[in-house]
Amino acid sequence: DAKTTQPPSMDCAEGRAANLPCNHSTISGNEYVYWYRQIHSQGPQYIIHGLKNNETNEMASLIITEDRKSSTLILPHATLRDTAVYYCIVRVKGKNRDDKIIFGKGTRLHILP
Amino acid sequence: NAGVTQTPKFQVLKTGQSMTLQCAQDMNHNSMYWYRQDPGMGLRLIYYSASEGTTDKGEVPNGYNVSRLNKREFSLRLESAAPSQTSVYFCASRTPGLADTQYFGPGTRLTVL
Repeated sequence: DAKTTQPPSMDCAEGRAANLPCNHSTISGNEYVYWYRQIHSQGPQYIIHGLKNNETNEMASLIITEDRKSSTLILPHATLRDTAVYYCIVRVKGKNRDDKIIFGKGTRLHILP
Repeated sequence: NAGVTQTPKFQVLKTGQSMTLQCAQDMNHNSMYWYRQDPGMGLRLIYYSASEGTTDKGEVPNGYNVSRLNKREFSLRLESAAPSQTSVYFCASRTPGLADTQYFGPGTRLTVL
């Protein structure tokens, strides 16, 4: 089973920041938090990942709590094209054998015009 | 680079028929994955291959077989298709090293009547 918990759906107004939460209370010290998104009918797309420090790239920011039991993906200025299912995954980085990379059900984000 | 390619894009089978879904990547990735996605659901891992010559079961392997033909290609075979295997199938490969992210193909939409 996936080791993360996400709300099934969220709404956000266009132009506002979208904050997507993820709980991973059983995360291990060497497990990273990864975020992917899946726009309708397409294959998932990598967004960002982090270990314990906050991370930012051209797509989003990732805020990880100090105890690492939860994180938030932030899309700073959401557009209609950000409507998608967002998946939060925890796993050991760089591990090949036995690294099953399990996806959960994700959060369906609706950006409202 | 073409990235991850999948063939066919669409397929309709009758119950009991067999077929092979093809996946290829030109990014020199070691690890490759097969997922299925049922309508309104998240991704579920069927099989994965950490390297050429190795394959391992994922969450839902029953009714499927895989072959890691070489480093580029990872095929998924349905020996006797069932209506429960109607789904969208995604192949993915994974970057080595520090990036360690997955790249997904466009998917194969399979209907079993």
